[in-house]
Amino acid sequence: EDKVVQSPLSLVVHEGDTVTLNCSYEVTNFRSLLWYKQEKKAPTFLFMLTSSGIEKKSGRLSSILDKKELFSILNITATQTGDSAVYLCAVAKPTSGTYKYIFGTGTRLKVLA
Amino acid sequence: DVKVTQSSRYLVKRTGEKVFLECVQDMDHENMFWYRQDPGLGLRLIYFSYDVKMKEKGDIPEGYSVSREKKERFSLILESASTNQTSMYLCASSLPQGDWETQYFGPGTRLLVL
Repeated sequence: EDKVVQSPLSLVVHEGDTVTLNCSYEVTNFRSLLWYKQEKKAPTFLFMLTSSGIEKKSGRLSSILDKKELFSILNITATQTGDSAVYLCAVAKPTSGTYKYIFGTGTRLKVLA
Repeated sequence: DVKVTQSSRYLVKRTGEKVFLECVQDMDHENMFWYRQDPGLGLRLIYFSYDVKMKEKGDIPEGYSVSREKKERFSLILESASTNQTSMYLCASSLPQGDWETQYFGPGTRLLVL
């Protein structure tokens, strides 16, 4: 059975700290791994990773995929209160002419001022 | 910018009622998805559609049906609502780009079934 596991489940840090969120997966026919940020409403897309070892960066956020060890990490440096959210990891696999996404349960990050 | 809208942000219904959740996207996306999100369980796929009038069951289709009569609109139907269907429902759409695709989510509908 396909599964995506995120850790930790929740995290509380202070502004300026650096955090690392983990996502491990066991999914057949892996195509890509995606990270989303969810505040009080809809998840918003952060990164999509398909190749091992290539870091994606966007400002203070970065992510990398290890397809051999089947995991990805999301790093946030110099955290701000606006980074408080649930971070979701999902793995895409092809099915019926499209892609199916298997989501982890998310990591809830709270950044204190 | 892609826009995915859902008909209601909050909905309260009674057990046994028929419930319609509507999702509309404005970017001519082929693929549309319905998820429910529950604490500790993450997002789980209910149904998806890759073309008009086409639908596929996701991981938890029991108690739900869907309709896709037009490309931009994907409806989720709870034939007879039950309390265990109280949840946050998220709609998403995507357009294949090469050999990968990114999903765009609507704001969600929080459904309470009494």
